[in-house]
Amino acid sequence: SQQGEEDPQALSIQEGENATMNCSYKTSINNLQWYRQNSGRGLVHLILIRSNEREKHSGRLRVTLDTSKKSSSLLITASRAADTASYFCATEDSNYQLIWGAGTKLIIKP
Amino acid sequence: DTGVSQNPRHKITKRGQNVTFRCDPISEHNRLYWYRQTLGQGPEFLTYFQNEAQLEKSRLLSDRFSAERPKGSFSTLEIQRTEQGDSAMYLCASSWDRVSDTQYFGPGTRLTVL
Repeated sequence: SQQGEEDPQALSIQEGENATMNCSYKTSINNLQWYRQNSGRGLVHLILIRSNEREKHSGRLRVTLDTSKKSSSLLITASRAADTASYFCATEDSNYQLIWGAGTKLIIKP
Repeated sequence: DTGVSQNPRHKITKRGQNVTFRCDPISEHNRLYWYRQTLGQGPEFLTYFQNEAQLEKSRLLSDRFSAERPKGSFSTLEIQRTEQGDSAMYLCASSWDRVSDTQYFGPGTRLTVL
C-alpha cells in the first residue's frame, strides 16, 4: 500500500517560476526522500531529510519536514524546462523499506 | 559506469510464459531491493536482500514470483506463468547497509504480457 500522498497530482508553471509540491504520510519514519523520474526513465534521488531535521537545501531544491503534521514539501526555485518530470516522495520505515506516493507530475512551460 | 544496471530493458512475453530479470547493483552495496511500478503510480516494494539473505517480502509477491541473490552480488527476479496483470516496470535499487542511506535505482525492466 502507498503511504505518501503527493499534492498536487499535476502542476504546470512557466519557466522561471517556483514549484512547490507537498507530501503527507501516515506512520513514523526514519527519513523522507524525494525522487525525480523523467518519462520512461529510472528514479533519481534528489534529497533526503531525516526525521530529526526540519529543513534541507540542495542547489535549487528546498525540502521541509513537519513530523507533527506528517508532511513534507519540496520547493524548486527558478524552474527550468529540464525540471519537467514526475516527483515522488518516499518514506523509510524502521524496516528500511521505502513506501511511495503516487507522485506529482510537473510540467515547466518555456 | 558503476551505477545499477538491469537487463533486459524491455521484455514482451505471452501469458503463461516464464520471465527472468537481472539486476547488477553498485558494487559493495549490501542491500538490494526490487520494486514494481505501474503507469501513473509510485513504486511498490516487492522484496529486499541484505547480502544473500532475502529479509522481507511483500504480500504482492505471490508464489509465482521468486527472487534470488546467490552470492550477494547480482539478483534475479523470476515470474512464472505470467499474467496480463504482471505488466509493469520492475525496478531494482541498491544501497549500503546503513540507516537512512540513499537507494540508487536502475533504469528498470519494462514487462509487457500479451
